[in-house]
Amino acid sequence: EIVLTQSPGTLSLSPGERATLSCRASQSVSTSYLAWYQQKPGQAPRLLIYAASSRATGIPDRFSGSGSGTDFTLTISRLEPEDFAVYYCQQYGSSPLLSFGGGTKVEIK
Amino acid sequence: EVQLVQSGAEMKKPGESLKISCKASGYSFTTSWIGWVRQMPGKGLEWLAIIYPGNSDTRYSPSFQGQVTISADSSISTAYLQWSSLKASDTAMYYCARHTHWYFDLWGRGSLVTVSS
Repeated sequence: EIVLTQSPGTLSLSPGERATLSCRASQSVSTSYLAWYQQKPGQAPRLLIYAASSRATGIPDRFSGSGSGTDFTLTISRLEPEDFAVYYCQQYGSSPLLSFGGGTKVEIK
Repeated sequence: EVQLVQSGAEMKKPGESLKISCKASGYSFTTSWIGWVRQMPGKGLEWLAIIYPGNSDTRYSPSFQGQVTISADSSISTAYLQWSSLKASDTAMYYCARHTHWYFDLWGRGSLVTVSS
C-alpha cells in the first residue's frame, strides 16, 4: 500500500516569503499521477498542480511543482495573503488506486 | 457553467440509511469518472470511490469497500453515495469531484453528514 507523507505539518511564513512543501511516497509514483490541491477554510479543495508540474487552469505562476519517483515538491515563490491554506498531494495508480497525503498547513507567521 | 451541485446537509441517527447526491452540469457526464472524498472534522482528505457513469464501472478504496455504495443515473447526470446503516464515525463532509486524467479537477461544495443519537 502506498502512503504519501507530507512535511512539514505546519509552515509558518510571512507574506512575500517562499514556501516549500514536501510530499514523499512510500513507493515510486509516476509523475503523470501526482497532483496538488489547495483547501481554504470552509471551502472545497481546488486543483493546483497535476502531472507533478503542470498548473491547472487559472493557477498563478507563483505556484510550481517538481519532483519524481518518491519525492515531490510544491513551491510558492512569493506568498500572497490568499495563499495561506492547507495543501494536499494526491497520487493515482498504486494500491490504493487513489490516496491523499495528510496535508501541510501554511499559516501566517 | 461547468459545476457539481451537491445535496444539502443531513442529520441522521445511527443505523439509519442515507443517499446523498451530486448533480453535474456543463460537461459530458457519461465520459468522465466522478468520485467521492470524505473529510472528517478537522482532518484531511480521504478517497472513497469513483464511478464511470458511461458503463457504471466502479472502483472503491479498500478502506471503504462494503461501507458505502457509489452509483450514478446518467439520465439526470447525477452521482450518488449511499449508506445502509450509518455510524457516528460517518460524520463528515463529503465532496463529490470529477476525476479526469488521474486527478480531481472539479469539485462540489460538499454535503455535511452528521450522525448522532
